[in-house]
Order: sequence, then C-alpha cells, then structure tokens
Amino acid sequence: GDSVTQMEGPVTLSEEAFLTINCTYTATGYPSLFWYVQYPGEGLQLLLKATKADDKGSNKGFEATYRKETTSFHLEKGSVQVSDSAVYFCALSGLGKGAQKLVFGQGTRLTINP
Amino acid sequence: NAGVMQNPRHLVRRRGQEARLRCSPMKGHSHVYWYRQLPEEGLKFMVYLQKENIIDESGMPKERFSAEFPKEGPSILRIQQVVRGDSAAYFCASSKADGTDTQYFGPGTRLTVL
Repeated sequence: GDSVTQMEGPVTLSEEAFLTINCTYTATGYPSLFWYVQYPGEGLQLLLKATKADDKGSNKGFEATYRKETTSFHLEKGSVQVSDSAVYFCALSGLGKGAQKLVFGQGTRLTINP
Repeated sequence: NAGVMQNPRHLVRRRGQEARLRCSPMKGHSHVYWYRQLPEEGLKFMVYLQKENIIDESGMPKERFSAEFPKEGPSILRIQQVVRGDSAAYFCASSKADGTDTQYFGPGTRLTVL
C-alpha cells in the first residue's frame, strides 16, 4: 500500500540556519503531496502542497518540489525562526479507491534555538 | 469563516465507558475524515464520510468504533467500552469534495482513558 517515510527527528537548529526535512513516498500512480505543521497542543495546518510532478509548493518561506524520479518531496527553508518550532508531517493523497484518505509520515519534531 | 470545530477538546473516560467525539466541518464542506494520532506517532486514517454515508471505513477497528455524519448536525465518532489503548488524539478534517481537494483539520479531541 501507499506509504510515506520522513527523516527521523528530533531536529534542532539555530535561528537563521538552513532547514531540510526529507520525505520519500511509495504510491501507485501520481499522488498529491502535502506538508502539514502541528504546533504544540494544536491541530494540523496545511503548510504547502503539490499535485503533479515538478510542481513546487511554497508558503511562509518553506518550499518543497514534487520529484517523481526520486519519489521525494523534501521540505526546505532558507532561514528558520524560533516560531518555526513544531512537528512537520509529510503526507500523500492517492488515486483510485481510498484516494480520499491522507497517508502520513511519522512526523519530524523541529526545535529552533535563538 | 469558522474552521473545523471539534468538541470536546479534552475528554476523560474510565475503562468501559463510552466516548462521543463531535466534529463540525467548515462551512460549505460536505466531506469529513477522522484520524487518530497515538503519542509520538503520525496520524492514521480511520474513516471517510459524506452526509448520511460512510464512504471508506478501512481504518476503523472492527469492534467498538462507529462513525456517522447525519443530514443535520455534526459528525460523531463513537467509541464504546473504551480501553486504555484508545487514549489518543482524534482529529477531524473536512473538504469540499473528494479526491485532490485539500483537507482542513480541526484542533482535535484528546481522549484519556483511566
């Protein structure tokens, strides 16, 4: 079945550092790909998405490019802030029967120190 | 424009009791999804519903769990005879349509079984 594998955390960086969180997926066909962010004690917020190969999703300085050839959707940010501290989830939404459900990675906890 | 609403935010039950979790989707959304998040894990799909219909319940445990989305009122996730292993955060999401449409998440209900 479909699956998502994320870089294991926790990840700790200093403010203004460059961030990469790796995400690879296994799916039939060409799923839509998402990054969600979860702040402490809250629900998930959609950060960005891409629906087809080579699309780049971007929001709040974060970017991720849908790479079909490497089945990846790595999250990047050039200069992180303390307020970016949260748990980040990569997810896919497949095609066909059961397409509607999101399949999540295990999450990566990010801590940014001032 | 209110987001997805869930209540209660926190629920404490003793083993053997029933838990009822409510979800009101965003205005204009007719599709509801329930996910469960165990401590330090990613979210796992449970069930997908449209008004008065269960579309996909492939992630629901076979016993004690049920879900509904009536014509009027919120979606309900019901857990009968709760056990300690049911302790988790339960998130509801909604979308306008199925397939590639974005799912928006509520703040979650944190269930603790004593």
